[in-house]
Amino acid sequence: QPVLTQPPSSSASPGESARLTCTLPSDINVRNYNIYWYQQKPGSPPRYLLYYNSDSDKGQGSGVPSRFSGSKDASANTGILLISGLQSEDEGDYYCMIWPNNPWLFGGGTKLTVL
Amino acid sequence: QVQLVESGGGVVQPGRSLRLSCVASGFTFSDYGMHWVRQAPGKGLEWVAGISYDGINKYFADSVKGRFTISKDNSKNTLFLQMNSLKVEDTAVYYCAGPPTGGGYWGQGTLVTVSS
Repeated sequence: QPVLTQPPSSSASPGESARLTCTLPSDINVRNYNIYWYQQKPGSPPRYLLYYNSDSDKGQGSGVPSRFSGSKDASANTGILLISGLQSEDEGDYYCMIWPNNPWLFGGGTKLTVL
Repeated sequence: QVQLVESGGGVVQPGRSLRLSCVASGFTFSDYGMHWVRQAPGKGLEWVAGISYDGINKYFADSVKGRFTISKDNSKNTLFLQMNSLKVEDTAVYYCAGPPTGGGYWGQGTLVTVSS
């Protein structure tokens, strides 16, 4: 079972925003970790999107549009990926990851459908 | 541009061994730790193993500890995964991946099928 919890599916219409969540277990404080996000389309390897730690410590992957952004909800111990201005090409699976020392811990992934 | 090219996958019987390779180009391989991540058919991502930039420190998922080893030849820009005592549940696409701090590049993957 993945350590990080992601909803299995989410959907939104083109032009709308999608908010994908990644909840950490209670013994791992989201405040202490960068949250990394990956996008995967069928038949392709994951693509690195961005990381978010704080508003002053964040980074976008190479060529990733600015409409992909990250945030945290510390009260819910959750990392968030926000995709604004949804496009049909944004459809795919999205995985969150944290990197405490050296195992990479992944969420189970969210399948995003753009209706 | 950065490229990671895996090879060595195939069909193998349970209990047998397989060695995966990943040739890197387009970046200074010796500066980065590297990782193997796998994805079983229709499933999510599972981290398998990681190695420090100099090849000294190695880390393994509990599911493969004692059966898999990881190594890195910086002179040949190549990452390896030696997989012994393979099990049916090791069936997956195996990806070679660089750290997100280094651009987050992944290879296209190589399929390992463990079946009798």
